[in-house]
Amino acid sequence: NAGVTQTPKFRILKIGQSMTLQCTQDMNHNYMYWYRQDPGMGLKLIYYSVGAGITDKGEVPNGYNVSRSTTEDFPLRLELAAPSQTSVYFCASRRPASFYGYTFGSGTRLTVV
Amino acid sequence: AQTVTQSQPEMSVQEAETVTLSCTYDTSESDYYLFWYKQPPSRQMILVIRQEAYKQQNATENRFSVNFQKAAKSFSLKISDSQLGDAAMYFCAYSPTGGGNKLTFGTGTQLKVEL
Repeated sequence: NAGVTQTPKFRILKIGQSMTLQCTQDMNHNYMYWYRQDPGMGLKLIYYSVGAGITDKGEVPNGYNVSRSTTEDFPLRLELAAPSQTSVYFCASRRPASFYGYTFGSGTRLTVV
Repeated sequence: AQTVTQSQPEMSVQEAETVTLSCTYDTSESDYYLFWYKQPPSRQMILVIRQEAYKQQNATENRFSVNFQKAAKSFSLKISDSQLGDAAMYFCAYSPTGGGNKLTFGTGTQLKVEL
């Protein structure tokens, strides 16, 4: 039972480069989310999806894009990386209206230099 | 928009003692969920305890319990018989029952457990 799997775990990008953070879940959860966590801060929502083909912006979407072509996968794309995007990125999933909260991935630590 | 406030950036507790972490939130909804998550140095997010707003009874999970005051919009976490393994960052979080069930997190409280 893998849960939510994020790859890579660590990455260093140069300013202006692009990359995709991968997220896959095997629990057949409809709802998926991307958060970022800056040092010493809480988690802020970037994008979320309530099902395949449906995505919506969260609190801090600028500089990011997502797609949801399948229930299992929810990749996060960073275009033209900037130092302000240095953060830890978490992917999460849950069943609709689930009382049990999110299942989180283990996070991706991204540094933009 | 909902907001979650944790006013204690750091707390310390002696091993085997009790500590309470504070959390307040702001919402116009009558039904919602509240959560406490633990984040150890491994950075994995671990669900500690949860509360449904329409239930007046405070949730309890072993050494962890909450004091849920709906009118005051307060949701504190009490850790009894503190252990070294409890040392971590603790986040309070709010979720509506609809609208994508998005979680809104507080800024966290770093808990240190001393011998």
